[in-house]
Amino acid sequence: GAVVSQHPSRVICKSGTSVKIECRSLDFQATTMFWYRQFPKKSLMLMATSNEGSKATYEQGVEKDKFLINHASLTLSTLTVTSAHPEDSSFYICSARVRGTNTEAFFGQGTRLTVV
Amino acid sequence: EDKVVQSPLSLVVHEGDTVTLNCSYEVTNFRSLLWYKQEKKAPTFLFMLTSSGIEKKSGRLSSILDKKELFSILNITATQTGDSAIYLCAVLGLVTGNQFYFGTGTSLTVIP
Repeated sequence: GAVVSQHPSRVICKSGTSVKIECRSLDFQATTMFWYRQFPKKSLMLMATSNEGSKATYEQGVEKDKFLINHASLTLSTLTVTSAHPEDSSFYICSARVRGTNTEAFFGQGTRLTVV
Repeated sequence: EDKVVQSPLSLVVHEGDTVTLNCSYEVTNFRSLLWYKQEKKAPTFLFMLTSSGIEKKSGRLSSILDKKELFSILNITATQTGDSAIYLCAVLGLVTGNQFYFGTGTSLTVIP
């Protein structure tokens, strides 16, 4: 079955450093990947949509220079949180849309980022 | 290894059918299980379950948790085309602080 691998599952970093989160589709090609952030009270917010080979589309209010997204291949997208602050601590989750479909997408396991 | 597994991965049904989506988990120090519906910009929260055997309902949707067998089901009765979406299960555990684990999602398509 379709699997999306997100790595790492947990990461702790110091303020001011950068951390990279990977999202890989393991057995399918994903032309589009989505990055979400989970906020208190259970809501998930779409941060950006990344398309293979082109620049990501960021949602309003999301700083593109702070949350760098790279979608270099049909199976890999990365989210880099630059100059991390404690308020960036959150859960980040990706999903990958199956190439050739408009509706089928599968989620990664999520990454818990703690900035100290 | 902590994990959340959803099944089936995808499902196609006709309007009016009843569907059952499954979420099984192995998570350290389970605290709660959440169901989301992926639509538009981001998944929409549906239910949070913490206790076994207590059904939560919202219209045609209902969900129940079995903490002994480590799974939850999400039922949708009298499905409509608007129910077509990806349904995501997430489990909150406690591992040196709160830790969420997400399933892959189930893609549901309801055809007229």
